[in-house]
Amino acid sequence: EVQLLESGGGLVQPGGSLRLSCAASGFTFSSYAMSWVRQAPGKGLEWVSTISGDGGSTYYADSVKGRFTISRDNSKNTLFLQMNSLRAEDTAIYYCAKQVVVAGAYYFDYWGQGTLVTVSS
Amino acid sequence: DIQMTQSPSTLSASVGDRVTITCRASQSISSWLAWYQQKPGKAPKLLIYKASSLESGVPSRFSGSGSGTEFTLTISSLQPDDSATYYCQQYNSYWTFGQGTKVEIK
Repeated sequence: EVQLLESGGGLVQPGGSLRLSCAASGFTFSSYAMSWVRQAPGKGLEWVSTISGDGGSTYYADSVKGRFTISRDNSKNTLFLQMNSLRAEDTAIYYCAKQVVVAGAYYFDYWGQGTLVTVSS
Repeated sequence: DIQMTQSPSTLSASVGDRVTITCRASQSISSWLAWYQQKPGKAPKLLIYKASSLESGVPSRFSGSGSGTEFTLTISSLQPDDSATYYCQQYNSYWTFGQGTKVEIK
């Protein structure tokens, strides 16, 4: 059974930093691209970042480029999101999501339960 | 960037009704579209991928259709457990979600 368990969320002041983790199990972690998707309170879903299975390729939404860094440790089946220079508009539930590829296109097939990040003074 | 627009934003229907949600892309995305269901306080759940392929374990009352820029999600006979918010998502170029459609049971 695929399981994704996020941690590391919390309250942080504007301009501060936070590191999120996502522990994965139930699948061969290194074989799959992984992503972070966020959801502001009462709002819709926004893709944040994606990393390839080997960690060699990373992609970011314009809203976080230059501030957030995605990484992974395949030896520990763990995905990370380092968030710097946090802003109030980064307040959201952050979900980690496993991606699957069909005919060369990637979509999200499993999601974790999310971790809440609140940016406020 | 590809924009995704869903309609309606909210719909209310009775148990047993046929329900249709529409999703439009700002440019052609071929069939690279997924649908997700999200219940309050829960993570999204994949329902449909590649516009019309039903994810394993998803009830057959859910179906998807469309290609290019116009897509639909249909629930053939609405059940109480279907009360949720539904999101479309394109994965032709990066990943973009629609704003969501909240389905309520009358």
